[in-house]
Amino acid sequence: RKEVEQDPGPFNVPEGATVAFNCTYSNSASQSFFWYRQDCRKEPKLLMSVYSSGNEDGRFTAQLNRASQYISLLIRDSKLSDSATYLCVVNPPGTGFQKLVFGTGTRLLVSP
Amino acid sequence: NAGVTQTPKFRVLKTGQSMTLLCAQDMNHEYMYWYRQDPGMGLRLIHYSVGEGTTAKGEVPDGYNVSRLKKQNFLLGLESAAPSQTSVYFCASRPTAFQMNTEAFFGQGTRLTVV
Repeated sequence: RKEVEQDPGPFNVPEGATVAFNCTYSNSASQSFFWYRQDCRKEPKLLMSVYSSGNEDGRFTAQLNRASQYISLLIRDSKLSDSATYLCVVNPPGTGFQKLVFGTGTRLLVSP
Repeated sequence: NAGVTQTPKFRVLKTGQSMTLLCAQDMNHEYMYWYRQDPGMGLRLIHYSVGEGTTAKGEVPDGYNVSRLKKQNFLLGLESAAPSQTSVYFCASRPTAFQMNTEAFFGQGTRLTVV
């Protein structure tokens, strides 16, 4: 089983739609969780960290479910500019939580 | 505020040639990483470093070597390039693992083609 798994998509949604992505992780002792955004041919950039109680940043909401070992990202009122690949990132134990493990990404296409 | 800078941004190598990719960060971060990104494979960790003078293997270290002689620089070397090393290489840095939710910052990537 992969350490971090994501549905690759693509998710095709119209502007204004709500879309949700899930990501599962294999190691229950994983510590930190993030969602990164990557535009085509660009470097990944942090979208938001994911906190145990869930957190919101404008139209974006992240949730962590430790019991089921998944994190989610909800995007409300999708914009054309939200089109990108969303990477789930987990900080597993072992070697002192030094590594960051990336999922393969979920591609989102928002159309007019 | 340069952040993480990778050099070069593009390179074409012939099979068997060697090269070094340079990553420099100006944020005084302890941790630095080298990833490669291939279609459908996501970002895979090649090597990483948790401080000056220390390096460790990641998920796909074969064919690569690294050095961290100065805290701000992390070098990735290809001794004898192979077509399978055609990829986009990203360097990242992070303050430390001892604080929760510390963000990793990425360089702009190096597109390497081995022919």
